Amino acid sequence: GQNIDQPTEMTATEGAIVQINCTYQTSGFNGLFWYQQHAGEAPTFLSYNVLDGLEEKGRFSSFLSRSKGYSYLLLKELQMKDSASYLCAAMDSNYQLIWGAGTKLIIKP
Amino acid sequence: SQTIHQWPATLVQPVGSPLSLECTVEGTSNPNLYWYRQAAGRGLQLLFYSVGIGQISSEVPQNLSASRPQDRQFILSSKKLLLSDSGFYLCAYSEGGSGANVLTFGAGSRLTVL
Repeated sequence: GQNIDQPTEMTATEGAIVQINCTYQTSGFNGLFWYQQHAGEAPTFLSYNVLDGLEEKGRFSSFLSRSKGYSYLLLKELQMKDSASYLCAAMDSNYQLIWGAGTKLIIKP
Repeated sequence: SQTIHQWPATLVQPVGSPLSLECTVEGTSNPNLYWYRQAAGRGLQLLFYSVGIGQISSEVPQNLSASRPQDRQFILSSKKLLLSDSGFYLCAYSEGGSGANVLTFGAGSRLTVL
């Protein structure tokens, strides 16, 4: 079956770096998405990876290894506003998204 | 610019009552439209998607239905709500056509069925 795994909750300190991991199993693969969702709000797009390697976008970077079925989201210089849930979603061969349950990131001062 | 509107933001409904959630998109033509439900501790569950007017695909059998009466309007309905229908409902759109298109979500509708 198709499955996405990511940690339920992580805690980090303001100003630090945190890495949120995601593993996936899908029928075919057309890319890996990361979304940010603040409590009670809609998810917003962060990144999309379809090729192996690291994509950097300001304080946020996303990595993909297709052979390992693995991705991570790296957040640098953490700010209190980064407290949110981070959703990993893999796109299968039919261009359908398979969503993880999300990782709740708690930032402490 | 492209925007998506979803309403109502919150609603409390008795069991057995009808439901209508509405979503409209501006600034794009022939978008793909989606209805998701998000339950606490679980991934987003795709309920319906549409690639064009009158074309609805259902992903999960349930007492909900969807309609797309106009190109940029997507409606989620129920004739009789169940307690299990409570949740956070999200409308989303992506650019038309197949491919790895980014989803843009509406603000969400929180439904409580009592």
